[in-house]
Amino acid sequence: AQKVTQAQTEISVVEKEDVTLDCVYETRDTTYYLFWYKQPPSGELVFLIRRNSFDEQNEISGRYSWNFQKSTSSFNFTITASQVVDSAVYFCALSDNSNTGKLIFGQGTTLQVKP
Amino acid sequence: GAGVSQSPRYKVAKRGQDVALRCDPISGHVSLFWYQQALGQGPEFLTYFQNEAQLDKSGLPSDRFFAERPEGSVSTLKIQRTQQEDSAVYLCASSLDGQAAQPQHFGDGTRLSIL
Repeated sequence: AQKVTQAQTEISVVEKEDVTLDCVYETRDTTYYLFWYKQPPSGELVFLIRRNSFDEQNEISGRYSWNFQKSTSSFNFTITASQVVDSAVYFCALSDNSNTGKLIFGQGTTLQVKP
Repeated sequence: GAGVSQSPRYKVAKRGQDVALRCDPISGHVSLFWYQQALGQGPEFLTYFQNEAQLDKSGLPSDRFFAERPEGSVSTLKIQRTQQEDSAVYLCASSLDGQAAQPQHFGDGTRLSIL
């Protein structure tokens, strides 16, 4: 069965600290896609990044970076020099290779960045 | 706006009443998804449409839940004879097509409270 685990329920940091959000997934598919979404208090899920299973290159976008390691089935997300506006719930999600593309979400990590 | 629009934003109903939740996807998006998000949890898949065809309804928790998308655009999720366990945020998402690689774009959700 497919599963996504975000073991960190809540993380609290002080502004300008770096923070890493962990994501571990399980799937039997050889082709799959991983996503990170941000959910601010307004409730809308905001797409951050997609990574496919055959591309293990790490990616950096401004203060955000992602580390995909197939060997450990992990897709971790790091925010460098965190800001108060980064406070939100972050979800990691897995999409199988079926023709629906439905997402399987982790339970989310609540990040609080204090000034 | 150009995003996914959901209405109402909040809905309070008495147990036993029927409710209808509306989703207006991004124009031109073929695929539409409904998810249910319980408090403190990640979203869980309910059902999927490709145009007007409901291709996957495996996530609907009971036959009290019914979804339609008659013209391949706006979708309605209906819950009959509501129960307290139906209280949750209902999220709608759309994507360009049903391929697993496509990111899904979410609305703000409808927060349903059953008294």
